[in-house]
Amino acid sequence: EVQLVESGGGLVQPGGSLRLSCAASGFPFGGYAISWVRQAPGKGLEWVSAISGSGGSTYYADSVKGRFTISRDNSKNTLYLQMNSLRAEDTAIYYCAKGPLGYCSGGSCYGDSWGQGTLVTVSS
Amino acid sequence: DIQMTQSPSSLSASVGDRVTITCRASQGISNYLAWYQQKPGKVPKLLIYAASALHSGVPSRFSGSGSGTDFTLTISSLRPEDVATYYCQEYNSAPWTFGQGTKVEIK
Repeated sequence: EVQLVESGGGLVQPGGSLRLSCAASGFPFGGYAISWVRQAPGKGLEWVSAISGSGGSTYYADSVKGRFTISRDNSKNTLYLQMNSLRAEDTAIYYCAKGPLGYCSGGSCYGDSWGQGTLVTVSS
Repeated sequence: DIQMTQSPSSLSASVGDRVTITCRASQGISNYLAWYQQKPGKVPKLLIYAASALHSGVPSRFSGSGSGTDFTLTISSLRPEDVATYYCQEYNSAPWTFGQGTKVEIK
């Protein structure tokens, strides 16, 4: 059974940093692209970032480009999101979502399994 | 970036009704469209990918159709457990945009 467990969320001041993790099990982690998707309180879903199975290709939403960095450690079956220069509008539940294939280009980057999410609150 | 527009933003229907939600892309996306269901307080779940392919374990009362810019999600006979917000997402090209959601309630 596919399992994705996010951690690392919490309260951080504007301008601060946080690193989220997503621990995966139940599937060959390095063979699949993974995305981060967030949901602000009471709002809809927003795609944030994605990374290919090998880690060689990364993608970012314009709203986080230059501030967030996605990475993965396939030896530890873990995905990361390093978030710097955080703003109030980054406050959200952050979900990791497994893709159906090892890459995200060419029409393959949707989430077929999702974690439970971790809440990030940016506030002074 | 591609914009995804869902309609309606909310609807109320009776148990057993046929429910249709539409999603329109600002440019052609072939059939690179997914539908998700998010029940209140829960994690989003994939219903449909490639515009019309049913994800494993999803009840057959859910169906999807469309190609290019116009897509629909249909619930053939609404059940109480279908109360949720439904989102479309294009995955034709980054950034992979979601629609704003359609909230489905029971009348």
